[in-house]
Amino acid sequence: SYELTQPPSVSVSPGQTARITCSGDALPKQYACWYQQKPGRAPVLVIYKDSERPSGIPERFSGSSSGTTVTLTISGVQAEDEADYYCQSTDSSGTYVVFGGGTKLTVL
Amino acid sequence: EVQLVQSGAEVRKPGESLRISCKASGYSFTRYWIGWVRQMPGKGLEWMGIIYPGDSEIRYSPSFQGQVTISVDKSISTASLQWSSLKASDTAMYYCGRQQYSSSGDYFDYWGLGTLVTVSS
Repeated sequence: SYELTQPPSVSVSPGQTARITCSGDALPKQYACWYQQKPGRAPVLVIYKDSERPSGIPERFSGSSSGTTVTLTISGVQAEDEADYYCQSTDSSGTYVVFGGGTKLTVL
Repeated sequence: EVQLVQSGAEVRKPGESLRISCKASGYSFTRYWIGWVRQMPGKGLEWMGIIYPGDSEIRYSPSFQGQVTISVDKSISTASLQWSSLKASDTAMYYCGRQQYSSSGDYFDYWGLGTLVTVSS
C-alpha cells in the first residue's frame, strides 16, 4: 500500500524557520496538503494543493513541492505553532487518500 | 457557516454494534464528499473512506473495507459510520470531514470535533 513518510519530530527556537518534509512516490503526480493538530483538537487544514493557503491561516505557513517530496515551511515560528503536523495525498490512481505518519513540532 | 456536528462519545462492549453520525449544515450537502478518519490513542490519522451524498458512491480504504459501513441520509444531511461487531482495537477518536475530492486536489477543508468510541469489557 502507498505510504507518505514524515520525520517523527522537528525542533526549532522561536522566530526561526521550521521545515517539515513528506516523501512519497506519487507526489510528482498528486497534490498534497497539510494539517495542524493540537492536543485534544480536530485537525486544521493549513496548506492545500501543495502550496495554497486557506483563508485565516497566517502567511508564515507555506508549502512547496519538488519531485517526490513536499515541504511545509513555517517562517518565524511562534510558540502557538507547537503541534503535530500531517501531510496527506492520494495514491497514483487518485483513488485512495493517505496520511503521513505525522511530525511533532516542538518550539524550544 | 459550514458545520459538521458529530454525535457524542460512546462506550460499548466487544461484539456490540454501533452507529455514529455527522450532521452537516451551511452548504449543499449533496455536492461534497464526506470522509471518515480514525485516530487511535496517541497515534496518527488514518483515512477510512468517503461517501458522495449526491449518489451514495462510497470508497473504502483497503484497511477498513469490510470492517465498517459508511452511509448517508440526504433527508437529514447526515453521514454515518457503523460497526456490526466492535473490537477493543476499535477504541479511537473518529472524525468526519468535508472532503474536496477531485483531480484538483484531495483535502478535508472542514472537520467535525470528533466522536470518541471506547470498546471495553
